[in-house]
Amino acid sequence: EPEVTQTPSHQVTQMGQEVILRCVPISNHLYFYWYRQILGQKVEFLVSFYNNEISEKSEIFDDQFSVERPDGSNFTLKIRSTKLEDSAMYFCASRGPGSSSTDTQYFGPGTRLTVL
Amino acid sequence: AQSVTQPDIHITVSEGASLELRCNYSYGATPYLFWYVQSPGQGLQLLLKYFSGDTLVQGIKGFEAEFKRSQSSFNLRKPSVHWSDAAEYFCAVGPLGNDYKLSFGAGTTVTVRA
Repeated sequence: EPEVTQTPSHQVTQMGQEVILRCVPISNHLYFYWYRQILGQKVEFLVSFYNNEISEKSEIFDDQFSVERPDGSNFTLKIRSTKLEDSAMYFCASRGPGSSSTDTQYFGPGTRLTVL
Repeated sequence: AQSVTQPDIHITVSEGASLELRCNYSYGATPYLFWYVQSPGQGLQLLLKYFSGDTLVQGIKGFEAEFKRSQSSFNLRKPSVHWSDAAEYFCAVGPLGNDYKLSFGAGTTVTVRA
């Protein structure tokens, strides 16, 4: 069964450093998402991406964040200058290939980001 | 504002016993409703979803959920729990906005004792 994959599973970085979290969505999906979960808190929406551009983003997704689909398979989340409060589990999700709102979002296993 | 509430942070249940996880939502209209499960080290796996129609929804792994509009609830149930059901369970609603982003509850951790 196709699945969403994410690398690395755990990333440790120093405050102020740039990190790139990588996701490989399900191959024929068209809509891509990043969510995060700070320890002990809810899973929160960060950004959605369709047709090579951001379609919606939350207040959390400020100028320090960016997303990219550099090729036909990867979907990345970059944090330019990490802060302590960016420590969280980051989930990638994809859905499609149709445009129906009833399509299911499939989630990856997550990347745990620890900022020291 | 839209919100999802899972009142129970942690539930412990004996293997073979029944399980019910509560979910309440606050939304302007009837949303789409989901239950996801996360086992340790795993991603979020969809258990079941409700869009319309029959208010009792069957999912994978023997789970079911009932949508009750009058109570704004979408509670998850399983008649007989297995040790492998120990996990964290998330209720979610969507679409919120045009792009079908999900809004999650805080999650309920289920512990299964032998």
